[in-house]
Amino acid sequence: SYVLTQPPSVSVAPGKTASITCGGTNFRSISVHWYQQKPGQAPVLVIYYNSDRPSGIPERFSGSKSGNTATLTISRVEAGDEADYYCQVWDSSGDHVVFGGGTKLTVL
Amino acid sequence: QVQLQESGPGLVKPSETLSLTCTVSGYSISSGYYWGWVRQPPGKGLEWIGSMYHSGDTYYNPSLKSRVTMSVDTSTNKFSLRLSSMTAADTAVYYCTTAGTPSYCNYWGQGTLFTVSS
Repeated sequence: SYVLTQPPSVSVAPGKTASITCGGTNFRSISVHWYQQKPGQAPVLVIYYNSDRPSGIPERFSGSKSGNTATLTISRVEAGDEADYYCQVWDSSGDHVVFGGGTKLTVL
Repeated sequence: QVQLQESGPGLVKPSETLSLTCTVSGYSISSGYYWGWVRQPPGKGLEWIGSMYHSGDTYYNPSLKSRVTMSVDTSTNKFSLRLSSMTAADTAVYYCTTAGTPSYCNYWGQGTLFTVSS
């Protein structure tokens, strides 16, 4: 089954830029989606199809993909961005969703 | 705006079957979208269970497929999950989700905790 690799944790100071990576294989032909989950809350889709933002998501959130790594970038980080972030893909070989293990973003 | 609300007993005995329903408001199930389920064991990451279209097109997590039954009821605008042969490893917060494609989850319910215990 497809495996997505995320760093367990990332720390960033307020006002700085946070980059959360998601590693996989054959990313050229795969779209990556990203979710934010704050403690005790349901996940929220923040990026879909690699770089599109749903309505209501701040422009500070952006997504990109290069080679076999996708990156969620959060610019001008705020205390309220502290959360777990998950990447996700559709494994077309088996027609199912795969989540990464998640990255805990800590705002220092 | 689509809104989702899970409902179910909260406690299931080992070997029994979990039955969970998601009530949809703000959108008609029969209008489209894929209706699915994701779970999250306490303190752990997200695990996709499966999703289905109202007309029956269904997708499953291969590791759970043999125990999962999903259904959609357009008359009540609800969809349901049944997970058989429950064990302690199935203790988790269960979320219902939806999107216009099975490939990601755009809208989420608030989640409900199911505990497997005798």
